[in-house]
Amino acid sequence: DGGITQSPKYLFRKEGQNVTLSCEQNLNHDAMYWYRQDPGQGLRLIYYSQIVNDFQKGDIAEGYSVSREKKESFPLTVTSAQKNPTAFYLCASRRTGYGETQYFGPGTRLLVL
Amino acid sequence: RKEVEQDPGPFNVPEGATVAFNCTYSNSASQSFFWYRQDCRKEPKLLMSVYSSGNEDGRFTAQLNRASQYISLLIRDSKLSDSATYLCVVNLSGGSYIPTFGRGTSLIVHP
Repeated sequence: DGGITQSPKYLFRKEGQNVTLSCEQNLNHDAMYWYRQDPGQGLRLIYYSQIVNDFQKGDIAEGYSVSREKKESFPLTVTSAQKNPTAFYLCASRRTGYGETQYFGPGTRLLVL
Repeated sequence: RKEVEQDPGPFNVPEGATVAFNCTYSNSASQSFFWYRQDCRKEPKLLMSVYSSGNEDGRFTAQLNRASQYISLLIRDSKLSDSATYLCVVNLSGGSYIPTFGRGTSLIVHP
């Protein structure tokens, strides 16, 4: 089946620890995105990538890093510099072109111990 | 002023009711518009795109009012399964597709 997968579904982070969230898509989409959603809030853009080996900061990139070495994969690392990482993290992808919209993975819930 | 604003609700309606949500946007250069549905603790899923001429998909009707800078979603004959949060998404034109999401409107349909 075609789609976007994220793993793990739940992730626990200790203070001072870096953790990496996986996002994989087999839709052959060029663009990929990472969002953070806090309770009762809208989605906020962390990073996005329009093409392999290129990515741009979103509105809240501080404390996060990404890579885009393959078209299918866009992992997000939550570093220890991110002081309030507890949130629901959503990855999305999109085929480029006017009118095309985003499709989301099932999300990863990150909790700080 | 927030770029995309929605009434958070909740809108509490009985089954069979008709309910409408509005979403206002601040940037007049916005070009594409969408409604997503998000169930509790799940990812957003595309409900429908919003076209200038308005569009309908079964019980759902979306409309765009460029002059007043808002989009609307009308749900007729509400079902219990329509209970969810409805997110408004607005995108500027141009090469980079960076949509702006509203915070969502919560709908609760009760028996």
